[in-house]
Amino acid sequence: AQSVTQLDSHVSVSEGTPVLLRCNYSSSYSPSLFWYVQHPNKGLQLLLKYTSAATLVKGINGFEAEFKKSETSFHLTKPSAHMSDAAEYFCVVTPGGGATNKLIFGTGTLLAVQP
Amino acid sequence: GAVVSQHPSWVICKSGTSVKIECRSLDFQATTMFWYRQFPKQSLMLMATSNEGSKATYEQGVEKDKFLINHASLTLSTLTVTSAHPEDSSFYICSASQGTAEKLFFGSGTQLSVL
Repeated sequence: AQSVTQLDSHVSVSEGTPVLLRCNYSSSYSPSLFWYVQHPNKGLQLLLKYTSAATLVKGINGFEAEFKKSETSFHLTKPSAHMSDAAEYFCVVTPGGGATNKLIFGTGTLLAVQP
Repeated sequence: GAVVSQHPSWVICKSGTSVKIECRSLDFQATTMFWYRQFPKQSLMLMATSNEGSKATYEQGVEKDKFLINHASLTLSTLTVTSAHPEDSSFYICSASQGTAEKLFFGSGTQLSVL
């Protein structure tokens, strides 16, 4: 069975400071892992993905995530937060191969960016 | 990226009535579309997988007679909540696939409130 746990429901940072959104997963298979972002009144947008290639994955808008098998983690980071980063972020796991009908979503982390 | 249009974004209806939600892929053909449901502070749960021209595949625990899915063309899938009740109030999101999880595009969601 697969599952994903987002450890923080809310994260608040100041503009210009680093962002860390935590995600731990459980998977019986070699997983594919994704981070999606959802801005208000917008659809979910893919930020980045890990599919068994490089463990450090770079995504859009300066975000990156590192796959750590020993820690079963896939935390999302950004060196310097921008006001436009305020949104909800979802960590997603699926079996290796990226089967689209087996996406397991985390409960989401709401990121607030203070001026 | 590809655009998926979902509407309405908000709908309020009386108990016992039916509500139809549309999901359109605007600039690509989607062989598969997915419908998710999200309760407050919970993750997205896959309800059903919809393939063009065939019957939808429902996840365990989802009532197929309550949530009717039609995928009549490669660009349109509809979800009809029949005889809606207050417990059906939720946020519904669709997605459309071009084949793999990294080519999965989401609509902006529909908030359904049943009075």
